[in-house]
Amino acid sequence: EIVLTQSPDFQSVTPKEKVTITCRASQSIGSSLHWYQQKPDQSPKLLIKYASQSISGVPSRFSGSGSGTDFTLTINSLEAEDAATYYCHQSSSPWTFGQGTKVEIK
Amino acid sequence: EVQLVESGGGLVQPGGSLRLSCAASGFTFSSYEMNWVRQAPGKGLEWVSYISSSGSTIYYADSVKGRFTISRDNAKNSLYLQMNSLRAEDTAVYYCARVYDFWSAPDVWGKGTTVTVSS
Repeated sequence: EIVLTQSPDFQSVTPKEKVTITCRASQSIGSSLHWYQQKPDQSPKLLIKYASQSISGVPSRFSGSGSGTDFTLTINSLEAEDAATYYCHQSSSPWTFGQGTKVEIK
Repeated sequence: EVQLVESGGGLVQPGGSLRLSCAASGFTFSSYEMNWVRQAPGKGLEWVSYISSSGSTIYYADSVKGRFTISRDNAKNSLYLQMNSLRAEDTAVYYCARVYDFWSAPDVWGKGTTVTVSS
């Protein structure tokens, strides 16, 4: 099983600040890495697919990068509505998800 | 509107059974592959099972293999998860999620149905 490790687990950020979340895979997964946002009592929402491909309707402040084992989700100029837990997910082998990164607004 | 709506969750005793359903609307259900993903209270996401568009290919997570059965009825635009021999650790919100293929990212998720396994 491919293990995905996200860092940090928690981040408290002021509005307009830049947020960077990393996801490391236990073995190479190419670009089969996707990012989701989940707000309390809601289902996950797809933000980025295949490491860096944008999703229609998702604000442009969300971007992704990386390949192989190391990936990054960047939120430029954080807004209050971005308070949520963010998950990475690999679809290279039986699916696994990262443990999540909770982003709080200061 | 593209939509997935889960149902069938509830409280069940350990060792019991439940059948979850996922009703699809707003898209051609038979053209998409489907997954079940669950989330235990206060925990992260865990993939449970996958089924191809025709139903001919099925995968399960090791944690549910031999106990859960995924199926679909394309004529009824519905996905199912038969859960037997339920354990306390199966307690979770269960989501159905649409994908183009097993290696793609689910772009549509349902709101989930809650399963609680407790005596």
